[in-house]
Amino acid sequence: TQLLEQSPQFLSIQEGENLTVYCNSSSVFSSLQWYRQEPGEGPVLLVTVVTGGEVKKLKRLTFQFGDARKDSSLHITAAQPGDTGLYLCAGAGSNYQLIWGAGTKLIIKP
Amino acid sequence: EAQVTQNPRYLITVTGKKLTVTCSQNMNHEYMSWYRQDPGLGLRQIYYSMNVEVTDKGDVPEGYKVSRKEKRNFPLILESPSPNQTSLYFCASSFQSRGDGNQPQHFGDGTRLSIL
Repeated sequence: TQLLEQSPQFLSIQEGENLTVYCNSSSVFSSLQWYRQEPGEGPVLLVTVVTGGEVKKLKRLTFQFGDARKDSSLHITAAQPGDTGLYLCAGAGSNYQLIWGAGTKLIIKP
Repeated sequence: EAQVTQNPRYLITVTGKKLTVTCSQNMNHEYMSWYRQDPGLGLRQIYYSMNVEVTDKGDVPEGYKVSRKEKRNFPLILESPSPNQTSLYFCASSFQSRGDGNQPQHFGDGTRLSIL
């Protein structure tokens, strides 16, 4: 069974600080997606990483796929209150179904 | 506007009373899926459908039924709801196929279901 462990589960920091969220697995994924979910809404895709070692940037958000395609990280620089939300990672497994992490609830305090 | 529409958004009901949550997408996606979201457990897949008349069990299918008679609709049926099915439910669709798991999933806004 493929599992995707996401950490931390909860993070509350001050505006302007940096943070990193991790998704780790012992399994190889063909790709990994990151989503953000706000209260009362469904998850919305932020980025998909496909190649081992790939780095993608979305304004202050930096996403990295591990060289072995077993792990990924999301780094936010100078966090803003608008970054508050639930961040979810999902890896495309061996049968092309998505394996979901449990999520990181992020709160950015003004 | 491209979207996935779920109804109802909120439902409080009692044990044993059959209910259906509808899901419709207007993006001509072949793949549709139902998830439940519980605190600390993330998204768990209930059922998915790769195309019309093709449905498969996800990780937590017990107590649920689905059907896919048309491409755009994928209703979730609880024949005899129980309190442990109280949860937040999401429908999603994508262009995902058996050969491509890289496609993004588009989610509805969720249905909050309470079974008393």
